[in-house]
Amino acid sequence: GAVVSQHPSWVICKSGTSVKIECRSLDFQATTMFWYRQFPKQSLMLMATSNEGSKATYEQGVEKDKFLINHASLTLSTLTVTSAHPEDSSFYICSAVGGRRYGETQYFGPGTRLLVL
Amino acid sequence: GDSVTQMEGPVTLSEEAFLTINCTYTATGYPSLFWYVQYPGEGLQLLLKATKADDKGSNKGFEATYRKETTSFHLEKGSVQVSDSAVYFCALTPYGSSASKIIFGSGTRLSIRP
Repeated sequence: GAVVSQHPSWVICKSGTSVKIECRSLDFQATTMFWYRQFPKQSLMLMATSNEGSKATYEQGVEKDKFLINHASLTLSTLTVTSAHPEDSSFYICSAVGGRRYGETQYFGPGTRLLVL
Repeated sequence: GDSVTQMEGPVTLSEEAFLTINCTYTATGYPSLFWYVQYPGEGLQLLLKATKADDKGSNKGFEATYRKETTSFHLEKGSVQVSDSAVYFCALTPYGSSASKIIFGSGTRLSIRP
């Protein structure tokens, strides 16, 4: 089946630093990837839609200058949390859309836990 | 806006017990409905789906029926196993395709005792 990986799986950083999270589709190409955020005991909230070769589309209320998304290739999208603060601590999950062979379904990565001190 | 509401967990059952996790939704138009499962340390996996009213999705002994009249998509399994312990998310896509934006419920943690 289609596999999506994320790196790192967890990260601890100091307030004010930037953190980059990678999302890779390992055995398929994905023109579209999504980034979600999950707070404890809450649902996944869509942050942005990432399309290869174009600017990401952000959901209402998500700061695009705070959460930089780059989808530079068909197998890699990155989320950079700039000048991170404790309120950015969360669980970040990406998904990648498989093509016809994979039923045009979203496949999810295992998530990245970010803790900002 | 569109939303999904599911029963709060955690739910703890004994092995071979009957399982129901309630899910209701609010949506305009004709959404597709999904159940995703997240096993410890793994990414979300699609468990089952239904794309129109009265459709029944099924997989691994789990079932859910798309009920438009009650706007519900309850997850059921007749006899749970310890390996079913996971977090279950009810979800919908407003535009019908799982390749588009997904709206998730808050998740229900299920623990099965041997």
